[in-house]
Amino acid sequence: VALTQSPGTLSLSPGERATLSCRASQSVTGNYLAWYQQKRGQAPRLLIHGASRRATGIPDRFSGSGSGTDFTLTINRLEPEDFAVYYCQQYGASLTFGGGTTVESK
Amino acid sequence: QVQLVESGGGLVKPGGSLRLSCVVSGFTFSDYYMAWVRQAPGKGLEWVAYITGNSIYTNYGDSMKGRFTISRDNGKNTLYLQMDSLRAEDTAVYYCARWGVAFDYWGQGTPVTVSS
Repeated sequence: VALTQSPGTLSLSPGERATLSCRASQSVTGNYLAWYQQKRGQAPRLLIHGASRRATGIPDRFSGSGSGTDFTLTINRLEPEDFAVYYCQQYGASLTFGGGTTVESK
Repeated sequence: QVQLVESGGGLVKPGGSLRLSCVVSGFTFSDYYMAWVRQAPGKGLEWVAYITGNSIYTNYGDSMKGRFTISRDNGKNTLYLQMDSLRAEDTAVYYCARWGVAFDYWGQGTPVTVSS
């Protein structure tokens, strides 16, 4: 299952909403789709699993939606610490990561 | 608290071997699948391998098959990655991760550089 993330880069200001897309080449089994945040020099951090379930300790401005082949990560009211790279991952049929979306400060 | 600590990375020549270790604490190791994920400089995440809790099943990314071996010692709370026939394109930071609800905990990573 190949995952395509878009856009490659999103330039936004603090307080704005970010909408990130992850499209799968075939339906993701069980909607086993996760989103990770990675800041420079750090390990990835799990944000969302099962397409829409927030991981422990993740603020509610992060939300995931979608099913089948089309998934979305939405970040409401961007905070300065949210500027980072975001990856989607499917873990329903083996494993695949998307290529990432960079959310940068405008 | 859950901790994963990788070690064993370093500089190795093409064709050489390296064994990475990941010592975990804060959870019952044998209850979880574990995985290795790598990230080449300036690139995205690539899964390397994963292993079931009882070591019965393993799986590898396509470019790793036949060269890398994942294993674990549940008595020592340690995950391993044996890397043989290393190539320049294996240069990356290697992370171990716990497969709970997705990859819910990650180590800090250990860098591997393959160069002559």
